[in-house]
Amino acid sequence: DVKVTQSSRYLVKRTGEKVFLECVQDMDHENMFWYRQDPGLGLRLIYFSYDVKMKEKGDIPEGYSVSREKKERFSLILESASTNQTSMYLCASSPNSGQGNNNEQFFGPGTRLTVL
Amino acid sequence: GQSLEQPSEVTAVEGAIVQINCTYQTSGFYGLSWYQQHDGGAPTFLSYNGLDGLEETGRFSSFLSRSDSYGYLLLQELQMKDSASYFCAVKGEDFNKFYFGSGTKLNVKP
Repeated sequence: DVKVTQSSRYLVKRTGEKVFLECVQDMDHENMFWYRQDPGLGLRLIYFSYDVKMKEKGDIPEGYSVSREKKERFSLILESASTNQTSMYLCASSPNSGQGNNNEQFFGPGTRLTVL
Repeated sequence: GQSLEQPSEVTAVEGAIVQINCTYQTSGFYGLSWYQQHDGGAPTFLSYNGLDGLEETGRFSSFLSRSDSYGYLLLQELQMKDSASYFCAVKGEDFNKFYFGSGTKLNVKP
């Protein structure tokens, strides 16, 4: 059974803290993505990665950074958490277009982050 | 820029048929996907249309008209478990990336 796992389901942090959200996939996918989901706004892409040590900005990268040291792991970093980063964070993976069918993204269960 | 429009909420009764529309304006288009998300759950893939026409998977069908920049998800014989949010997503000019709509909350009533 294919899986994308995220390190925490719920997280509470204080303003100014550095926050790490971890995502691991076991499908040998090249592509990995970080989204945030807010009511009425759908899923907005923060960052994505096509390969190890490679990253591209999505639509809302401000206040975030990412790290991809290993193919299966993609980390989202909030350098200094702020209250407007309170949200649901979803990680996803997919094959690269060169690997085959990449019409489907596989999502993790999400991390609900609250910044106080 | 990228823009996807879908209704925010739809209500239907058990056993009925419901259609959720999605119109898009994107720079480049390669296909339209649909995802289902139950409250508290992860989005799960339902279907993908790369070409015009209807794709059927059991009770769910998805349609695409590229000339109209329009697609829809059709759910037949509605069941209570179909109550969820449904997102359309466009594969744009970056062949590996999808842009998501804001989602349609479907309420199925007995």
